[in-house]
Amino acid sequence: GAVVSQHPSWVICKSGTSVKIECRSLDFQATTMFWYRQFPKQSLMLMATSNEGSKATYEQGVEKDKFLINHASLTLSTLTVTSAHPEDSSFYICSARVAGQTFNQPQHFGDGTRLSIL
Amino acid sequence: DAKTTQPTSMDCAEGRAANLPCNHSTISGNEYVYWYRQIHSQGPQYIIHGLKNNETNEMASLIITEDRKSSTLILPHATLRDTAVYYCIVSFPTGNQFYFGTGTSLTVIP
Repeated sequence: GAVVSQHPSWVICKSGTSVKIECRSLDFQATTMFWYRQFPKQSLMLMATSNEGSKATYEQGVEKDKFLINHASLTLSTLTVTSAHPEDSSFYICSARVAGQTFNQPQHFGDGTRLSIL
Repeated sequence: DAKTTQPTSMDCAEGRAANLPCNHSTISGNEYVYWYRQIHSQGPQYIIHGLKNNETNEMASLIITEDRKSSTLILPHATLRDTAVYYCIVSFPTGNQFYFGTGTSLTVIP
């Protein structure tokens, strides 16, 4: 149980285009989802916290107009990288917490999306 | 910001116990300790978590010191598939944001 799916798993785009990444909780509802970014040989960095039906909360230094997050349902959150440039190339990972569980329960992670901007 | 310190890398012989330490000396009373691992190019996999009591599940054991300033993840019989980066995270139950540290790269040697 508690499976999180990301789509696409890998995408290559030209500089200047916008890219949308989907994060779905397949067998549970998630009131809260999280988005992370990971550069090669580095750790995961939290970008934003996404709550269903409300605006996302971004971490310091993360441009909210650059990384648009929508969490319109209890099973889907999307991250759109707008006007992507080569420096946005990274591994983007989402996670979700099961709705209704106590807050100490673990997050469940997707398998990530590798984004390459040419 | 990450609140944990872990060794950068460790080796363990296959079949032996792997003991991965984590220092979280600034942990507060209601912060939980979580352990995840990440195999190359995949998302993190949940292993175990705890507050102050030792915990055990089918994957591992978590030993938390009495003062809660450090913990040890124990993989009782390491296999080659346990080679991964292991992350120790402390997090408040409210909000539950995870701030990852640098983790420990564990290599299991045949």
